Amino acid sequence: AQKITQTQPGMFVQEKEAVTLDCTYDTSDQSYGLFWYKQPSSGEMIFLIYQGSYDEQNATEGRYSLNFQKARKSANLVISASQLGDSAMYFCAMREVLGDFGNEKLTFGTGTRLTIIP
Amino acid sequence: EAGVTQSPTHLIKTRGQQATLRCSPISGHTSVYWYQQALGLGLQFLLWYDEGEERNRGNFPPRFSGRQFPNYSSELNVNALELEDSALYLCASSWAWGLAGEETQYFGPGTRLLVL
Repeated sequence: AQKITQTQPGMFVQEKEAVTLDCTYDTSDQSYGLFWYKQPSSGEMIFLIYQGSYDEQNATEGRYSLNFQKARKSANLVISASQLGDSAMYFCAMREVLGDFGNEKLTFGTGTRLTIIP
Repeated sequence: EAGVTQSPTHLIKTRGQQATLRCSPISGHTSVYWYQQALGLGLQFLLWYDEGEERNRGNFPPRFSGRQFPNYSSELNVNALELEDSALYLCASSWAWGLAGEETQYFGPGTRLLVL
């Protein structure tokens, strides 16, 4: 079974600073996908960034980048120039592939609550 | 393009009652997923529907069930409600098949279920 570990329950970061949210994973699959989602207090899960296991380059989406270290099984999210609106819960997730279907479910970590300080 | 929609936004029930939650996927998506997020806990996978069929379910009792309609919308039914069913229920949709990255699941705003 796959497992996602997020070791930082909470983080406080000064506005405009960069922040790294840690995520490690455990899987025996050769093909897998890693995702980061943001969950504001409203509850909606907002997709941020995706990294495929065969992607050689780290994914980037605007201020978000994913530091993918396959050998270490880590997929850390880096947010550059943090903003007050970045305050939220952040979840790392992994796509589990079973059978003939390419997408069955996501396994989520326990999340990191990020608070941006003005 | 409209995102995933869910209704109702809030639902209050008493123990033993039944709850029905609804989800409409992003246009063109054929897969719908349901997740439960209980207070203080992470997201737990409930059910996956694709092309009208249940493809996978998580470790939840049979009183959690659902279906997917021909227009790919879905409903989640929870029978014989228990206090611990109080949670945020999130629905997500995606392409079932696609190139790498296209399998991203996009979530709706959720339904907050409170069981008294």
